[in-house]
Amino acid sequence: DIQMTQSPSSLSASVGDRVTITCRASQGISNYLAWYQQKPGKLPEVLIYDAFTLQSGVPSRFSGSGSGTDFTLTISSLQPEDVATYYCQRYNSAPFTFGPGTKVDIK
Amino acid sequence: QVQLVQSGAEVKKPGASVKVSCKASGHTFTSYGFSWVRQAPGQGLEWMGWISAYHGNTDYAQKLQGRLTVTTDRATSTVYMELRGLTPDDTAVYFCARGHISAAGLFEYWGQGTLVIVSS
Repeated sequence: DIQMTQSPSSLSASVGDRVTITCRASQGISNYLAWYQQKPGKLPEVLIYDAFTLQSGVPSRFSGSGSGTDFTLTISSLQPEDVATYYCQRYNSAPFTFGPGTKVDIK
Repeated sequence: QVQLVQSGAEVKKPGASVKVSCKASGHTFTSYGFSWVRQAPGQGLEWMGWISAYHGNTDYAQKLQGRLTVTTDRATSTVYMELRGLTPDDTAVYFCARGHISAAGLFEYWGQGTLVIVSS
C-alpha cells in the first residue's frame, strides 16, 4: 500500500507568519491529493483537493501545490482561527490513506 | 442539504462486535460511495473501508481485513460498519464519510461521529 508522510508533525508560528506543511507519498499519486483541516473537537473539512484546488468557501490564504509524490500546503498569513491539525490524504484509489497530521498552533 | 446521521455511542467488552449505522439524506444515495474513518483518542485519522452504494463493492484497509464488514441498506439509505473481535485498541470515534461523485475517496460530508469504547 502507498504510505503518506507529513512534516513537521507540529509547528508553532506567529500570527501573520507564512506556514508550510509538506506531504509525501511513497509512490506517485498524480494530483489525487487532498488536504483536510480538523479543528479541536470538530469534524475534518476539505481545504484543498486535486492537490491545488481550493474548496469553495476556504480563505485564499490557503494554497496547495505538488504532483506525483511531493505536495505542500501553505498558509500565507497564519490567523488565530487556523489553529488545527492538517491532514493530507490520497484518493486516487483505495486505500484512501491519510497522512499522520500536522498540528498547528499560535506562538 | 446532505446529512449523515450516525447511531449513538457504544461500550463493548473485548472480543465483542459493534455495528454502527449512518443514515444518509439530501442526495441520491446510490450515486455515491461511503467510507468509514476512525480516530483514536488524541490520534490521527485512519481510513477503514469503503462501499459503493450502487454496486455494493467494498474495499477494506489491510489491517482490518477479516474483522470489518461495511454494508448498505438501499431502502433506508443507511450504511453500516461492523467490527468484530474488538480490543481496547479499537476505542475510537468512528465517522462515516461520503465520497465525491467523481472521486470516491474525497470526503466532502462527514457524519457526526460515534464513540466506541472497548473496555473490560
